[in-house]
This record gives sequence, C-alpha cells and structure tokens, in this order.
Amino acid sequence: GQSLEQPSEVTAVEGAIVQINCTYQTSGFYGLSWYQQHDGGAPTFLSYNGLDGLEETGRFSSFLSRSDSYGYLLLQELQMKDSASYFCAVNRYGGATNKLIFGTGTLLAVQP
Amino acid sequence: DAGVTQSPTHLIKTRGQQVTLRCSPKSGHDTVSWYQQALGQGPQFIFQYYEEEERQRGNFPDRFSGHQFPNYSSELNVNALLLGDSALYLCASSFSRAYNEQFFGPGTRLTVL
Repeated sequence: GQSLEQPSEVTAVEGAIVQINCTYQTSGFYGLSWYQQHDGGAPTFLSYNGLDGLEETGRFSSFLSRSDSYGYLLLQELQMKDSASYFCAVNRYGGATNKLIFGTGTLLAVQP
Repeated sequence: DAGVTQSPTHLIKTRGQQVTLRCSPKSGHDTVSWYQQALGQGPQFIFQYYEEEERQRGNFPDRFSGHQFPNYSSELNVNALLLGDSALYLCASSFSRAYNEQFFGPGTRLTVL
C-alpha cells in the first residue's frame, strides 16, 4: 500500500519559523513534492526533492531523506499570507507517467 | 500564458445524472492529470492522459472516464452520479519530460444533490 502522514494542523506567529514533517510509505518512489493550497484555491507547487538533502527557494526550504522515508517543509519569516494548507506528495514515475500521491494536508494558521 | 483553465467553475447535478468537465493545459504541456479533492482531504489521483491515451488510473470506478484531444485539452466524464462524487475536481498539466512539477487549474466544484 501507500500512505503519507503529516500533522493535521500547525499554528505559528508572524516572523517565526515552522517545520511541517511528512513521512511516507510507497512503492515506485521518485521524489517528494510540496504544494500550497489556499482555501478554495488551486494547489500551487512549492518545492521538489528528487535527491536527499535540502532544497532552498526563498523563504521556503524542503528536505528529503530517502533512507528514512521522511521529508519536511521549512517556512521562514512567516507572513499572514502563508496561512494555507500544505500538502506533501510523492512523485511516482513509471511508464511515462508522473503521478502524484498526496497526503491529507497540514493546515497552517499564522497569527499576528 | 493563461495557465491551466477549467470549466465550468461550479456545477450542481442530481444523482444518476452525467457530467463533463473540461480542462485546457498550460501552453507547452502535453500531459493532463485529473484529481478529485473531497472537503478537508488531499487530492486523489483519478487518471492521466498523454498522447490522447489514458496512461495510468487511480482507484476510481469505470463511471469515471476521460479523453484527451489533439490540442492536449482534456475532458473528465462521470456517469451515474452519486452523492459521494461531490468534490472539487482538479486538472493538472505537466510536460512529459519534466516529472517534478504539475500545474493545477482552479478546479470545478461539483455538487451532487
């Protein structure tokens, strides 16, 4: 089977740093992606890790450890607009397809 | 670049009816995937189309079918609608050789009464 686990909710204050963890169990793992989704909006791509280590994109960083089947998204200098749901998703690639398996999402609430 | 577009935005149907949802991919993308997102859940993979063929399918019944046209746009059809089909249906496009990023459309909110 396949499963992804991430915390359901996280609360933090403006300017702080927050880490959202994701553990996964799946076959055909190719990489781990992170998507942000504001209420009622479309998921938007944040980051992708195909190899172990840290990827940094502005205020957002993502980490992957294949041996531990674990990754995290790090958000720095939190802003109110960062309040949204964050999904980790496993990229399963094979047979010329790139299929995303999503977790249940972490609702981040940024407070003033 | 208009990005991924979907139509309609909202749709209300009754049980047993059929529905067709439409998606136009981002310019330069050749692959379209469809996802179903129930309230409070992550998107669930329905199927993916590439070169006008269904390449992979998630755990959805045959009531869910699709099509991809030569211009890469796609349709999702759902027959014999059930109350449980009420959800946000998301279309995502990607380039077949760029496996790490999918661009999502705004979705179609389907309500089945």
